This record gives sequence, C-alpha cells and structure tokens, in this order.
Amino acid sequence: DSGVTQTPKHLITATGQRVTLRCSPRSGDLSVYWYQQSLDQGLQFLIQYYNGEERAKGNILERFSAQQFPDLHSELNLSSLELGDSALYFCASSPQGGDTEAFFGQGTRLTVV
Amino acid sequence: AQKITQTQPGMFVQEKEAVTLDCTYDTSDQSYGLFWYKQPSSGEMIFLIYQGSYDEQNATEGRYSLNFQKARKSANLVISASQLGDSAMYFCAMREYYGNNRLAFGKGNQVVVIP
Repeated sequence: DSGVTQTPKHLITATGQRVTLRCSPRSGDLSVYWYQQSLDQGLQFLIQYYNGEERAKGNILERFSAQQFPDLHSELNLSSLELGDSALYFCASSPQGGDTEAFFGQGTRLTVV
Repeated sequence: AQKITQTQPGMFVQEKEAVTLDCTYDTSDQSYGLFWYKQPSSGEMIFLIYQGSYDEQNATEGRYSLNFQKARKSANLVISASQLGDSAMYFCAMREYYGNNRLAFGKGNQVVVIP
C-alpha cells in the first residue's frame, strides 16, 4: 500500500459528460501529481500541485482541470469527455518538492463509451 | 525529444534467474533522479528504487539494484532471483530537478517469469 488513495477505481461514462477523480496524498506529502496512461501515449504528466498551488503543467487538455484543497487532497476534473480520454489516471504524491520519492495511487480506470 | 528510452522487447525469464532491464536517458541537467516502477496486470504503479545523479554508489533495495553509469546515461534495473510475482511491466523514469520536477517515463519493459 503506497499510502496514496484514489477514488473511484473504475468509472464508466458517456461522451460529453463530466467526471471528477479524487486523490488523497500520503500523510505529510505536499506535492500531488496527475498522470494519464493510455495505450498509445504511454504515461503522460498532466499537472502538479504543491501545497495548494499549481506548480507545473504538462500535456493537460483545456477540458481538464485540477485543484488541490487546504487538506491537500486533489481533484482532477475531466469535462466534455471523448472516447480518446479513456485511460488510467494516476495520482502520485511526494514530500516537499519531491526529491527522492513519488508514490502512486492505484489509479482510476476511466472508460468513455 | 524522448528523455527515457527502453527498447527491449518482452522478456521471458526463468524463475530464480536474474534479469537486467535497460534504460537510457537524455538530460543536460546535472541534478536529476532516476526511478524504476513496476506495474503488474492489476494496474497499480509500484515504486521500486531510486538513484540520484550525485549518488556515487548504485542503489539497492532488496532484490532490486540499479546499475548506474552516468557517463553513458544508463540506469539499468537488475532483478535478482526472479519470482513469479515479478511478472509485470517495468517503467524507468527521470525527474530533472531544475526542470518542472515532473517524472518523464519510458515506454516500459514487459517481463514474464516462467517456472
């Protein structure tokens, strides 16, 4: 158990819909990262938050947004979903700025039908 | 440009034998970290081992060791005494500390351990 909790584990939704993925980092970790894993793109970094503030942005679509709350949990919002958004979405957390560790949650498998 | 390269095809390994997974990386930073993760068929990403660019000794964690050759920009993972539970995808990743601090992943190596 990595200590990073993601909910839900599985999500099936229709095109055009909006979903929210939730992540609770390990106790004490200030950084939260979101990654998308798809068959064609592999593991892609989406966005990082550090202590409530956006720290870095990767290949995140404009239809996607995220935030980190005062209790340090994070949510990834995906809207106007397309078939191509079907993927495994991971959250990872690191202490401080994230030097030597990055522990991943079990992922949320999103299927858009 | 691809920062992490893992080019080995899927591998079959006999139980109890050692296996080496190749990883080469590309960076102009002096300060970076190298990570290996295991992803079994259940999907979770399991952190295995970390090597910092300034670490002079190769990292080891139980049956996992990282063969770090800085001049060659190589960070190979060695799994000793393979077990059936080692069957999984293995990903090499790098974090550049003067960049945006994200992890950049390779495409992974598939390992199947056979009895």
